[in-house]
Amino acid sequence: DADVTQTPRNRITKTGKRIMLECSQTKGHDRMYWYRQDPGLGLRLIYYSFDVKDINKGEISDGYSVSRQAQAKFSLSLESAIPNQTALYFCATADRDEQFFGPGTRLTVL
Amino acid sequence: AQSVTQLGSHVSVSEGALVLLRCNYSSSVPPYLFWYVQYPNQGLQLLLKYTSAATLVKGINGFEAEFKKSETSFHLTKPSAHMSDAAEYFCAPTGGFKTIFGAGTRLFVKA
Repeated sequence: DADVTQTPRNRITKTGKRIMLECSQTKGHDRMYWYRQDPGLGLRLIYYSFDVKDINKGEISDGYSVSRQAQAKFSLSLESAIPNQTALYFCATADRDEQFFGPGTRLTVL
Repeated sequence: AQSVTQLGSHVSVSEGALVLLRCNYSSSVPPYLFWYVQYPNQGLQLLLKYTSAATLVKGINGFEAEFKKSETSFHLTKPSAHMSDAAEYFCAPTGGFKTIFGAGTRLFVKA
């Protein structure tokens, strides 16, 4: 089984809809991250969490929220999706400075 | 603040040729430096990392990178490209539990 899993893997939604992307890990890491990937821009940090009670905004947090339900679970929500949030979203965990990535969720907002 | 530049969004080489992917970073304090690789339809995975133990770092699949402090560079090389090396590569300076990812370089390998 994969160490970092993301659900769903693909999602198409409409403008204005609320959507949640989920991430689970079995690596036992305290640190978890959400990134979005856009062509030519690399990965940009949305939110990160050092433990269940410690959540921090990244460089592009506007329009997103997160919930750290447990050490193993970190969810990303789009309260009211808009087309420019169409992207590939990655969850990652970290041990010291190395990051371990999930397979990604491809989100399309129409 | 750290920043990273990957020169060339696309690099194309012939199978068996040298691979050179360039990365320059800026930082007042030398960070940890990583190269990650992303194969099609997959997440990123670690290729190699520099953590100040040695300036020449060897990674998986025959890749290596050399940390040059005077040039603030961490270029990725492989002597002989293989078709399976076709992927996107990201240089990623890391410090303070945060990682800055470069824009990525997509490597194409021609038969």
